[in-house]
Amino acid sequence: DQQVKQNSPSLSVQEGRISILNCDYTNSMFDYFLWYKKYPAEGPTFLISISSIKDKNEDGRFTVFLNKSAKHLSLHIVPSQPGDSAVYFCAASARGGSQGNLIFGKGTKLSVKP
Amino acid sequence: KAGVTQTPRYLIKTRGQQVTLSCSPISGHRSVSWYQQTPGQGLQFLFEYFSETQRNKGNFPGRFSGRQFSNSRSEMNVSTLELGDSALYLCASSLDMRETQYFGPGTRLLVL
Repeated sequence: DQQVKQNSPSLSVQEGRISILNCDYTNSMFDYFLWYKKYPAEGPTFLISISSIKDKNEDGRFTVFLNKSAKHLSLHIVPSQPGDSAVYFCAASARGGSQGNLIFGKGTKLSVKP
Repeated sequence: KAGVTQTPRYLIKTRGQQVTLSCSPISGHRSVSWYQQTPGQGLQFLFEYFSETQRNKGNFPGRFSGRQFSNSRSEMNVSTLELGDSALYLCASSLDMRETQYFGPGTRLLVL
């Protein structure tokens, strides 16, 4: 039973346009959400996070939106660049406990075409 | 600051053998977590250590174990290897249990 779901295994976007990656969760105890980017043969790289007390967090070209009522979050990348091509993982935790136990989605492979 | 390092990077073992993987966290980080990544199951949490104590454990059989040393370095051990244990094993460290985790490059284990 997947608690964190990324329903799109892949996404293709033109360079300069917006990339929107989606993530749904089922566990209402989750209160901290993160996005990681992963290149082949490397470990995941932390991108951005959001606490459940916020509905938006922005860091440069990356913005994460959280809709608690829908149990949905999304990552927006604007503008998209070819170097953004990677697999993006959504992760969640119940921060009242530990960050060490992250529940990951299965990832969305983003391809940004020049 | 150096990142999380994992050794070895690649490993080939046969069924029934055991294996030990090593992780050195970012300097100053005291929490270390381990994850298994497979194509079918994605990234799954194995266990978390803080101050040499296991704080959380994922849903894996007892063949998977780990430990943390006083310098925060961690090892994980898999005994009686099975074909299904072939995976990328990732280690992540954080300042403490409530901070963002940073991942190492992983150890790719192939069980034949």
